[in-house]
Amino acid sequence: DVKVTQSSRYLVKRTGEKVFLECVQDMDHENMFWYRQDPGLGLRLIYFSYDVKMKEKGDIPEGYSVSREKKERFSLILESASTNQTSMYLCASSLGPIMTEAFFGQGTRLTVV
Amino acid sequence: GQQVMQIPQYQHVQEGEDFTTYCNSSTTLSNIQWYKQRPGGHPVFLIQLVKSGEVKKQKRLTFQFGEAKKNSSLHITATQTTDVGTYFCAGTNQAGTALIFGKGTTLSVSS
Repeated sequence: DVKVTQSSRYLVKRTGEKVFLECVQDMDHENMFWYRQDPGLGLRLIYFSYDVKMKEKGDIPEGYSVSREKKERFSLILESASTNQTSMYLCASSLGPIMTEAFFGQGTRLTVV
Repeated sequence: GQQVMQIPQYQHVQEGEDFTTYCNSSTTLSNIQWYKQRPGGHPVFLIQLVKSGEVKKQKRLTFQFGEAKKNSSLHITATQTTDVGTYFCAGTNQAGTALIFGKGTTLSVSS
């Protein structure tokens, strides 16, 4: 069974902290994505990666960076967390190279205080 | 940038009534996908439409892709309480490498 696992379900961090959100998929998928979900705004694409060590900016990359050192792992980094980054973060993967069905992780609810 | 608009934002129906959500893109889409997110859950893939004018059915759900490949709809016949959730449409970006989601339609059903 396809599985995308995010390291934390809930996370509380302080303003200014460096935050790492981890995502692992076990399907040997090429593509991996990070979205944030906010009420009334839907899912907004932060970054995505179509290969190891490759990354592309999505619609809202400011304040974030990513790392993909291994095919199965895609990390989202908040360099200096701010309260406006309080959100639900969703990781997804797809087979690739052309966009096909995306499989989502369970999400990480991040609160920055 | 590419945008995908979805209406309505919210819809409440009585059980047994029909429901439709509409999706429109500012650009021609190579394909469109639909996802359902149950309350407290994560988005789950429902279907992908690729061809102009395509219509696909899954039991009580009917999906359509417009002739110009710039709009799509999801219609649910005779809603049930199990249909509750948020329905998202998503189109691929220009390079075909990522999904751009609409804001979703949240459906509530009262029995």
